[in-house]
Amino acid sequence: AQTVTQSQPEMSVQEAETVTLSCTYDTSESDYYLFWYKQPPSRQMILVIRQEAYKQQNATENRFSVNFQKAAKSFSLKISDSQLGDAAMYFCAGTGAGSYQLTFGKGTKLSVIP
Amino acid sequence: DTGVSQDPRHKITKRGQNVTFRCDPISEHNRLYWYRQTLGQGPEFLTYFQNEAQLEKSRLLSDRFSAERPKGSFSTLEIQRTEQGDSAMYLCASSLEGGLRETQYFGPGTRLLVL
Repeated sequence: AQTVTQSQPEMSVQEAETVTLSCTYDTSESDYYLFWYKQPPSRQMILVIRQEAYKQQNATENRFSVNFQKAAKSFSLKISDSQLGDAAMYFCAGTGAGSYQLTFGKGTKLSVIP
Repeated sequence: DTGVSQDPRHKITKRGQNVTFRCDPISEHNRLYWYRQTLGQGPEFLTYFQNEAQLEKSRLLSDRFSAERPKGSFSTLEIQRTEQGDSAMYLCASSLEGGLRETQYFGPGTRLLVL
């Protein structure tokens, strides 16, 4: 993706509840890949979930799922049954098939309230 | 299977000094990337290697920056004549050609502070 926008600098969720983090992107490529990465405080970035643009089915990984709306260029992350360990910065990122560089959004800081 | 490792984890230097960071990718990964992350921002791409060849460089990579990946294994990122604006987290990532397409795995980063 050429640009990635995360419009929510901070979000909070009660433990065990569900939260959705928003991401929009813009790209001129027809083949691209989108990712959500998690960066806990002072810890390394971890891949949460990935989505290939050519797949219509939304990706899921356990409690994490995406809502991929290709026409709207939207790629939101839903976290179900939120846990204290989910507290982190979440980055949306994308890359085109012809380029290997990831373009990141500015991130959303997620707090989980016990 | 060990992950991506980076050394040092923290570096404090004085303006004008040279610094060098090292990245060891996941052993079978042939692609290696460097990113820079400043406070409150997402990572920004710096450069990319496929095996030992440096194939992409960002405009952010000024002539004071140089990266190498001899023999296609570990990589080094050197910053010459450091400036206060170079203070950032430098992240390394690796991926496998033919693996989960374009999925990059990140190291813990090297945090640089230029005084």
